[in-house]
Amino acid sequence: QVQLVESGGGVVQPGGSLRLSCAASGFTFSSFAMHWVRQAPGKGLEWVAFIRYDGSSKSYSDSVKGRFTISRDNSQNTLWLQMDSLRAEDAALYYCAKAHSSSWYWTADSWGQGTLVTVSS
Amino acid sequence: QSVLTQPPSVSGAPGQRVTISCTGSSSNFGAGYDVHWYQHLPGAAPKLLIYGNTNRPSGVPDRFSGSKSDTSASLAITGLQAEDEADYYCQSYDRSLSGSVFGGGTKLTVL
Repeated sequence: QVQLVESGGGVVQPGGSLRLSCAASGFTFSSFAMHWVRQAPGKGLEWVAFIRYDGSSKSYSDSVKGRFTISRDNSQNTLWLQMDSLRAEDAALYYCAKAHSSSWYWTADSWGQGTLVTVSS
Repeated sequence: QSVLTQPPSVSGAPGQRVTISCTGSSSNFGAGYDVHWYQHLPGAAPKLLIYGNTNRPSGVPDRFSGSKSDTSASLAITGLQAEDEADYYCQSYDRSLSGSVFGGGTKLTVL
């Protein structure tokens, strides 16, 4: 079965950096686009970033564009989110999510349990 | 302010039918992009309920159904059960933003 395990969350000061990882198993990672989605405390889901199955195309929400970078290594079945210039409003539970299919790649059909990012001085 | 607008809360008694609306615009639903729905229970990972407006992934009961028309969409839940109490989110693609967008979420309470 599909398994997505996020790691790398923690406490970071404003302006700092953090790199999140997502280890994927149970499916052919190299065939699926992937997403990062976050949920701030008491708030709803917010899409953060998308990467095509081969890494050739990436997309970001306006709130993180220019500060966050999504990447993947299909040989290691791993997805990353490099987060720089972190702000208080970036504090959230970050989910790694697998795209449903090549036809429905903006839909996520499997999600990890999330990794918590806290931004505080 | 979310790009997709959902009511903050809905409620219904066990066995009843409820609907959750999701209103978009000409840059998402009106541009032909599909709506997808997720169920999010506290402490759990979100779960895909409906994709491509009306399709249910395997394992999702047929009590859940979706529809879309022009710039609005709806999720219907029939035969309400206590375990349906959760937050529900609609999601689509927005061409103005060149990315995915979620609704603000709707909390379903089973009375």
